[in-house]
Amino acid sequence: DTAVSQTPKYLVTQMGNDKSIKCEQNLGHDTMYWYKQDSKKFLKIMFSYNNKELIINETVPNRFSPKSPDKAHLNLHINSLELGDSAVYFCASSPPRHTTSYEQYFGPGTRLTVT
Amino acid sequence: RKEVEQDPGPFNVPEGATVAFNCTYSNSASQSFFWYRQDCRKEPKLLMSVYSSGNEDGRFTAQLNRASQYISLLIRDSKLSDSATYLCVVNIGAYNTDKLIFGTGTRLQVFP
Repeated sequence: DTAVSQTPKYLVTQMGNDKSIKCEQNLGHDTMYWYKQDSKKFLKIMFSYNNKELIINETVPNRFSPKSPDKAHLNLHINSLELGDSAVYFCASSPPRHTTSYEQYFGPGTRLTVT
Repeated sequence: RKEVEQDPGPFNVPEGATVAFNCTYSNSASQSFFWYRQDCRKEPKLLMSVYSSGNEDGRFTAQLNRASQYISLLIRDSKLSDSATYLCVVNIGAYNTDKLIFGTGTRLQVFP
């Protein structure tokens, strides 16, 4: 009964390849996010979607393209992978803003290694 | 200047000790504040929200000082299971969305 799930958990690929990471939440939340946690453990927001609409795009290279087919899914496609893309990518979701809780629920992360 | 600053630690404390973490933030328009916990190679999880009046959850007490833009977390009677990285988090989101800014975390190691 995983609330926020991501696949794959580990991804090892070569520079220049294109890869996708999938995220699904079964919490009924309206908003979903992608975060990147680099080797120094710094966790930074990349994108957020609310009801399939892009809300936040944090000056991420356009090689990164999120896609939300419905409000329970937010996938991340990365073109022309670079060494610097190696990181842990976390998906998260949160309930509507009018609720009392601002908690974001994180998926288990996808550890991407670019060689 | 980083938007959210924390002492990275590590803080190495014996079981039963009291330990305090501090955090400062730069955006005075920040709306809400949190402490998240992240275990090694795991996802962050909400520990507690932080309110100006101060709030307590068992052994954990959080405090916010908006004038000084300062947030604190106090852990009393430390347990081995408290060993983790504690992330100070500030929400600078606008009207219809949350935008969480994470500090780099303070690592706590509790030893027997």
